Amino acid sequence: SYELTQPPSVSVSPGQTARITCSGDALPKQYAYWYQQKPGQAPVLVIYKDSERPSGIPERFSGSSSGTTVTLTISGVQAEDEADYYCQSADSSGTHVVFGGGTKLTVL
Amino acid sequence: QVQLVQSGAEVKKPGASVKVSCKASGYTFTSYGISWVRQAPGQGLEWMGWISAYNGNTNYAQKLQGRVTMTTDTSTSTAYMELRSLRSDDTAVYYCARLPMVQGVIIFYMDVWGKGTTVTVSS
Repeated sequence: SYELTQPPSVSVSPGQTARITCSGDALPKQYAYWYQQKPGQAPVLVIYKDSERPSGIPERFSGSSSGTTVTLTISGVQAEDEADYYCQSADSSGTHVVFGGGTKLTVL
Repeated sequence: QVQLVQSGAEVKKPGASVKVSCKASGYTFTSYGISWVRQAPGQGLEWMGWISAYNGNTNYAQKLQGRVTMTTDTSTSTAYMELRSLRSDDTAVYYCARLPMVQGVIIFYMDVWGKGTTVTVSS
């Protein structure tokens, strides 16, 4: 079955830039989406269609795509950004949803 | 405001069934789909399937085929997810989430989430 691969953890100091990658063979053909999940809460969409930001999401969150890898970038990381981040896309058939394994972002 | 309100926590015995509801408000229910996602304790997100509230079309994750059924009641703007033959590894928080649609076609991302329903399977 199709998989999306994320690093298990990323650590940054406040004010620095965090980059979280997600790799998958179908990503050149399918959009990627990113969700933030804090402990005990439901996920929140932070990026859709590779690089679009929903209303209400701070400008420091951005997304990009290059070949089989998509990247979530958080510029000027704040303590409140500490959370799990999941990428999500569809398989090559475009009918099944797939999540990456998640990346725990730690703000040092 | 747009929200999805899910039913309360459930405790079930192995082999039983559970049916979780997800009541939508603040938007036109039939203009969107609903996806179900679960999260086992300490684990990542697992997609279970989706249903179009527009025409009732469904698509389920391969590993749950035959055990899961998703339905909607458009008269009450409520979606349901039933999981049968429960096992201990079905213990998880179950989320419903809204899927945008364009001209009747599901767009595969989830823009609004319910708060989750905890389902515990234990003898």
